[in-house]
Amino acid sequence: EDKVVQSPLSLVVHEGDTVTLNCSYEVTNFRSLLWYKQEKKAPTFLFMLTSSGIEKKSGRLSSILDKKELFSILNITATQTGDSAIYLCAVSNRGSTLGRLYFGRGTQLTVWP
Amino acid sequence: GAVVSQHPSRVICKSGTSVKIECRSLDFQATTMFWYRQFPKKSLMLMATSNEGSKATYEQGVEKDKFLINHASLTLSTLTVTSAHPEDSSFYICSATTSGSPEQYFGPGTRLTVT
Repeated sequence: EDKVVQSPLSLVVHEGDTVTLNCSYEVTNFRSLLWYKQEKKAPTFLFMLTSSGIEKKSGRLSSILDKKELFSILNITATQTGDSAIYLCAVSNRGSTLGRLYFGRGTQLTVWP
Repeated sequence: GAVVSQHPSRVICKSGTSVKIECRSLDFQATTMFWYRQFPKKSLMLMATSNEGSKATYEQGVEKDKFLINHASLTLSTLTVTSAHPEDSSFYICSATTSGSPEQYFGPGTRLTVT
């Protein structure tokens, strides 16, 4: 059975800290891994990763994929209170032409001032 | 970027009534739309996948007669919760994608409360 596991499930840090969120997966015919940030409404897209070892960066956020070990990490440096959200990891596979995504349970990040 | 809207954003209905939620892709043609349900502090649970002009594919355990999905055009899909019960109260989110793209664009979600 395909699955996506995120850890930790929740994390509380202070502003300025650096955090690392983890996502491991077991999906047949892997195609891509996506990270989303969800605040009070629907998820907003952060990154899509398809190749191992290539870091994607956007400001203080960065992510990398390891297709051999089947995991990805999302790093946030110099955290701010606005980073508080649920971070979702999702994986798509090649078998489905419909673009189905398999979501993890998410990591609830809380950043205190 | 691609924009997906949902309407209504919040709805309260009485038990036994039906509620329709619309999902629209505003600036692109969505060949496929997905409907998710999310319980508090839980991840997104895929309910069904719909392609324009064809019947929706429901995930195991999702009652197709209760959650009616119609994808009448490349920019509109609707989810109707029929004979709603309090346990149907949840956050419903749609997403849309174009052919062959792994990236999904999410709508803002609809908070359904059944009293």
